Amino acid sequence: DAGVIQSPRHEVTEMGQEVTLRCKPISGHDYLFWYRQTMMRGLELLIYFNNNVPIDDSGMPEDRFSAKMPNASFSTLKIQPSEPRDSAVYFCASSLRRAGGNTIYFGEGSWLTVV
Amino acid sequence: GQQLNQSPQSMFIQEGEDVSMNCTSSSIFNTWLWYKQDPGEGPVLLIALYKAGELTSNGRLTAQFGITRKDSFLNISASIPSDVGIYFCAGRQNYGGSQGNLIFGKGTKLSVKP
Repeated sequence: DAGVIQSPRHEVTEMGQEVTLRCKPISGHDYLFWYRQTMMRGLELLIYFNNNVPIDDSGMPEDRFSAKMPNASFSTLKIQPSEPRDSAVYFCASSLRRAGGNTIYFGEGSWLTVV
Repeated sequence: GQQLNQSPQSMFIQEGEDVSMNCTSSSIFNTWLWYKQDPGEGPVLLIALYKAGELTSNGRLTAQFGITRKDSFLNISASIPSDVGIYFCAGRQNYGGSQGNLIFGKGTKLSVKP
């Protein structure tokens, strides 16, 4: 079975440029999450969707960050304009709500470097 | 916000040794998850725990959901070189409901003894 698919795997961009990260969740999953991982802060939840609707975006750092989920099989995380402090690994994850609990499955991450 | 205290931060293992790590919190959690992250990869789920006192094994890995609901531990028996990596605990407070409030520990980095 295909897992969570993210693209690009690696991105190096100049400060001020727009960055778009893409995610395809596991088919049938109804939750999608965007996380950011840095050495200093570890894994942080940025935003999550349920049935394509944003539920909690309180983790989004600032207005430069935006996320969309136009359909059940695709989501984007956009940073505009990008800054060096945005350099991190961005993970997309998905899960399926079920009685008794659920687990979150991660993609391989998008490694972003802003210079 | 809520925090999970994961320890140790790092440890060195020799092949064949047993390894133990844990996570604690001042708050009650209803779900505990353990993930492993290899370099350049995303976290991969190892074990999920949903009931206080639950003890679950996955091969050489064993994890327990603390009876107080404020802690969990992960044991690795007879470690092998491919066990190196970063292990994360994660806890959720709202049972089944709010999927977003999964809180991660800072990780335990396992390395091979030089």
